[in-house]
Amino acid sequence: AQTVTQSQPEMSVQEAETVTLSCTYDTSESDYYLFWYKQPPSRQMILVIRQEAYKQQNATENRFSVNFQKAAKSFSLKISDSQLGDAAMYFCAYRSPFYNQGGKLIFGQGTELSVKP
Amino acid sequence: EAGVAQSPRYKIIEKRQSVAFWCNPISGHATLYWYQQILGQGPKLLIQFQNNGVVDDSQLPKDRFSAERLKGVDSTLKIQPAKLEDSAVYLCASSRTVGGLKETQYFGPGTRLLVL
Repeated sequence: AQTVTQSQPEMSVQEAETVTLSCTYDTSESDYYLFWYKQPPSRQMILVIRQEAYKQQNATENRFSVNFQKAAKSFSLKISDSQLGDAAMYFCAYRSPFYNQGGKLIFGQGTELSVKP
Repeated sequence: EAGVAQSPRYKIIEKRQSVAFWCNPISGHATLYWYQQILGQGPKLLIQFQNNGVVDDSQLPKDRFSAERLKGVDSTLKIQPAKLEDSAVYLCASSRTVGGLKETQYFGPGTRLLVL
């Protein structure tokens, strides 16, 4: 079974600085997808960024980028120029291809990010 | 485009009572998911529908939880009888289809359940 581990329960960053959130996963599959979701206090899950395992190029979305290391099974999220609105719980998630497990997301435990003004 | 709608947003019940949650997915989305998120943990899939058929309910406690998706649109998740450990946020998500990375799951605001 696949597992996702986020080893940092809490992280803090100064406004305008850069922070990196860590995520590791375990799988025997070669084809899969990885996601970072943001969950603010309102509890609404918002997709931040996604990565296909077959792509070597790291995904980037504005101030958000990932460092995908497939051999090491590592998928970290870098937030540049941190803003107060980035404060939230961040979840790393893994998804198998449909033909394996129907596309369900397997989430890590989450990292609570606080941004200091 | 309207997002995933859920109701109620909050519910407080006593143990052994029953409760039902409702979800309306994004129009045209064939796949619907119910996740349970216990405080301090990541969401865990309870059940997944493709149209009105069940794709995965392996982690649904079937002795007390039930779910249905009539006509392949709205869905209802029921707990009967509720236990203290059912206190959690219940998230509904939907996606256009199941296959392919393009099929992002969009989440609703969740229903926060407190069982006393």
